[in-house]
Amino acid sequence: GAGVSQSPSNKVTEKGKDVELRCDPISGHTALYWYRQRLGQGLEFLIYFQGNSAPDKSGLPSDRFSAERTGESVSTLTIQRTQQEDSAVYLCASSSTGGGNQPQHFGDGTRLSIL
Amino acid sequence: AQSVTQLGSHVSVSEGALVLLRCNYSSSVPPYLFWYVQYPNQGLQLLLKYTSAATLVKGINGFEAEFKKSETSFHLTKPSAHMSDAAEYFCAVSDGNAGNMLTFGGGTRLMVKP
Repeated sequence: GAGVSQSPSNKVTEKGKDVELRCDPISGHTALYWYRQRLGQGLEFLIYFQGNSAPDKSGLPSDRFSAERTGESVSTLTIQRTQQEDSAVYLCASSSTGGGNQPQHFGDGTRLSIL
Repeated sequence: AQSVTQLGSHVSVSEGALVLLRCNYSSSVPPYLFWYVQYPNQGLQLLLKYTSAATLVKGINGFEAEFKKSETSFHLTKPSAHMSDAAEYFCAVSDGNAGNMLTFGGGTRLMVKP
């Protein structure tokens, strides 16, 4: 079956522009996660969805970041008024139930570069 | 709060040599532990997971890891390195609370010399 799909794979934009990143999770997975990976660093948690609800938004770095999920499927991460420090790889993951023993399956990420 | 420490941001071994990647964690509750591998320009692929069953966990590609509660460690090993093992490896922990948010270590880049 298909894995987690993210688009675009690469995005280059000018500082101050808004960007939308898309994630298609594995079909039937109720839990969806967004992480950010800065160059040479580990992953930092951004936001988690259970179904279409986001019970944990604690990782969003500023109010310029927002995310939504519809139809218990596709999710979009939006970054408004982008800054150079937003440059990173944004990874999406999904898991079947969100339970602690369920592994998260990752997409290949969107590499975002802010000029 | 949880944290993960991976000792050694870069590890270099010769082909055929033992691979040992270190991971120590802190967690206020019995954790779930994971190792992921990341190849260039790709996402993370699950190698193995510990979820409170056997303390020695076998994963894909000949990797295994041992959960040692007394040492709060979950080191990753492979008896004989292959060139194809060159990649970045991440250890992650979850406390199993609602959402299962993963906390990752900083990663270890494994280089394999011919």
